[in-house]
Amino acid sequence: AQTVTQSQPEMSVQEAETVTLSCTYDTSESDYYLFWYKQPPSRQMILVIRQEAYKQQNATENRFSVNFQKAAKSFSLKISDSQLGDAAMYFCASGLYNTDKLIFGTGTRLQVFP
Amino acid sequence: GAVVSQHPSWVICKSGTSVKIECRSLDFQATTMFWYRQFPKQSLMLMATSNEGSKATYEQGVEKDKFLINHASLTLSTLTVTSAHPEDSSFYICSARSTGRTGNNQPQHFGDGTRLSIL
Repeated sequence: AQTVTQSQPEMSVQEAETVTLSCTYDTSESDYYLFWYKQPPSRQMILVIRQEAYKQQNATENRFSVNFQKAAKSFSLKISDSQLGDAAMYFCASGLYNTDKLIFGTGTRLQVFP
Repeated sequence: GAVVSQHPSWVICKSGTSVKIECRSLDFQATTMFWYRQFPKQSLMLMATSNEGSKATYEQGVEKDKFLINHASLTLSTLTVTSAHPEDSSFYICSARSTGRTGNNQPQHFGDGTRLSIL
């Protein structure tokens, strides 16, 4: 069974600063992929970044980057130069190649202060 | 691209009525769509996987007779909450996965969600 754990219910950051959101997962599968989704107050889930487990290189998407530690089953999200619009719930999720199911963590609420 | 439209966005109805929620992929074809339920301040819980032209696969604990799913075309899946009761009140979100490329590692694109309130 897959599990995803986000141990930080809430985080805050000053505008323009950097913040890291933690995520750990557990799976017995070898082929899987990991995602970070953002859910603003509007409630729509927006894909932030994705990482295939077979890739050693950490994914980067503009101000968003991940630190993927496969052996430790850790997948943290770093947000650089934080902006007010980054304030949202962030969900870490894992999925298997042989199914399309996504398992979500419990989320981290990020507040950005001006 | 990859827009998923969900309708209605908010519905309030009396206990005992049935409510249908639509999920449409607007600019891509989706063999597979997913239905999630989200309680306030909680994570998304997968309810079922909807496959075009076949029966939906329900997660453990989800009543298939309560939550009817139909995926009649590559761009439309519907979730019908039958004989809804106050405990069914929740936020329901659909997602769709593109069939444009092979492989099962395409990201899911989410709809805006439907807030269902049963009085």
